[in-house]
Amino acid sequence: TQLLEQSPQFLSIQEGENLTVYCNSSSVFSSLQWYRQEPGEGPVLLVTVVTGGEVKKLKRLTFQFGDARKDSSLHITAAQPGDTGLYLCAGASGANNLFFGTGTRLTVIP
Amino acid sequence: KAGVTQTPRYLIKTRGQQVTLSCSPISGHRSVSWYQQTPGQGLQFLFEYFSETQRNKGNFPGRFSGRQFSNSRSEMNVSTLELGDSALYLCASSLGNRANQPQHFGDGTRLSIL
Repeated sequence: TQLLEQSPQFLSIQEGENLTVYCNSSSVFSSLQWYRQEPGEGPVLLVTVVTGGEVKKLKRLTFQFGDARKDSSLHITAAQPGDTGLYLCAGASGANNLFFGTGTRLTVIP
Repeated sequence: KAGVTQTPRYLIKTRGQQVTLSCSPISGHRSVSWYQQTPGQGLQFLFEYFSETQRNKGNFPGRFSGRQFSNSRSEMNVSTLELGDSALYLCASSLGNRANQPQHFGDGTRLSIL
C-alpha cells in the first residue's frame, strides 16, 4: 500500500493569510489529484497534475507536483473563509489504483 | 448531468444487524469505488467495481462486501455490524479506464451503530 502523508494535519489561520499544505510519499505516482471536501458533502476534484515539476494555478490556489513525482504541495494565497474544508491528495499508481492521503483540515477564520 | 447519488443519507443500526447501501454513478461511468471515512482513520478504500467485477480490494474484513449491476449501480453490504463500523461511507464513480481519471463522489451515507 502506497502511503501518502499530508501535513499539517490541522491548520487554522486568519482570513488573508497564505498557507501551504504538503503531500509526501516514498512512492512514485503517475499523477496526483487534489480534492476538497466540505462538511456534509463528498470530496470534489480541484486539479490533476501529471508531469514531474508541473505547476497548475486555480485562482488563488497553486498546485505543484514534485520533480520525482513523489510529493506535491498546495499553496493558497490570501485565504478566505470559503477555502475552509478538508484537503485530500490522491496518487495514481499502476493501471487502476488511486491512493488517498491522510488529509489536511483547514479552517479560515473571518 | 446528474451526479453520484447515494441512498440513504443517514442510517442508524444496532450491533449485529446488517446493512445495504446503494450508489448510482454518473451515467456512462463504469467504475464505482467505495470508501469508509472516519475522523481517526481518514478516507480508507474498501473496494472498486468495474463492469460488474471487483477489480480492487482494500484491507477490510469479509463482513464488507459489494456488487455492481449491469447498469453500473452498486451496492455495499456490511454484515454483523460492530460499533467501529460507524462512519461516513462514500462512493465515487469514474470512467474507469485509467487510475488518473477524476473520481466523482456522492455525498455519502452516514452510518451510526448503537
